[in-house]
Amino acid sequence: DAGITQSPRYKITETGRQVTLMCHQTWSHSYMFWYRQDLGHGLRLIYYSAAADITDKGEVPDGYVVSRSKTENFPLTLESATRSQTSVYFCASSERRAARGYEQYFGPGTRLTVT
Amino acid sequence: DAKTTQPNSMESNEEEPVHLPCNHSTISGTDYIHWYRQLPSQGPEYVIHGLTSNVNNRMASLAIAEDRKSSTLILHRATLRDAAVYYCILRDTWGAQKLVFGQGTRLTINP
Repeated sequence: DAGITQSPRYKITETGRQVTLMCHQTWSHSYMFWYRQDLGHGLRLIYYSAAADITDKGEVPDGYVVSRSKTENFPLTLESATRSQTSVYFCASSERRAARGYEQYFGPGTRLTVT
Repeated sequence: DAKTTQPNSMESNEEEPVHLPCNHSTISGTDYIHWYRQLPSQGPEYVIHGLTSNVNNRMASLAIAEDRKSSTLILHRATLRDAAVYYCILRDTWGAQKLVFGQGTRLTINP
C-alpha cells in the first residue's frame, strides 16, 4: 500500500530486551523522523534522517539507535528496553521541497509496552 | 526553538466557527507558523502553515497578527470530526525540518 506504515502496531516486551520498530514509506521522501508520545503529552523527537546514511539526534535520543540504509526504511531500535520507554511511537516523513512547508506525513503509530 | 503558548482545551458547537489562538512572542523573522492536529488514536496531520500573510486552504484559515507574535487557526464550520488536539508549531526556515510539538489545545465539539 502507498503511504507510510509502521510495524508492529502493538508490542509488549520485557525490560532489558532489544526491540526494533519498523517504518516504511513509499513516497521516496528524503526526510524521516521518529517521535514518541507519552500518555497525555505532545510528541517528542527521538531521531531524524535527512537522507540514506544521514541521521541526527532529536530531543530524547538516549536508549535508541537508528539506521537508514535505504531511503524508504527507517528502523528504530531500543537496545535494552526500560519501562520509561513505554510509549506510542510515531514515524513521519517529508520531502525536501518547500511545498506545503515541508509537511510531515505521520504513520499510524506503534504502541509499545515494556513490562 | 521558539516557544508557543496555547490554551489547554476549548469547546465549541457543531457547525459554528472555532478560533484557536496561539501566542509566540519570541518568534524570529525566519520562523514559519505551522498547525497540525491529532485525531484520537491517530498520528498528527498537517493543517496549514504561514509566514506573514493570512492563509486559507480547504481545511482551515490561518490569521497571523501584524507583529507575528500571535496567530489564530480558524475552522469555519466545525464538525464532530474536527475534535482533536491542535498543535501550533514554529519552524525555522533555515533549520532542519524537525518540528517541536508543545501540549496543544484539545478541541471538543458538541453536537
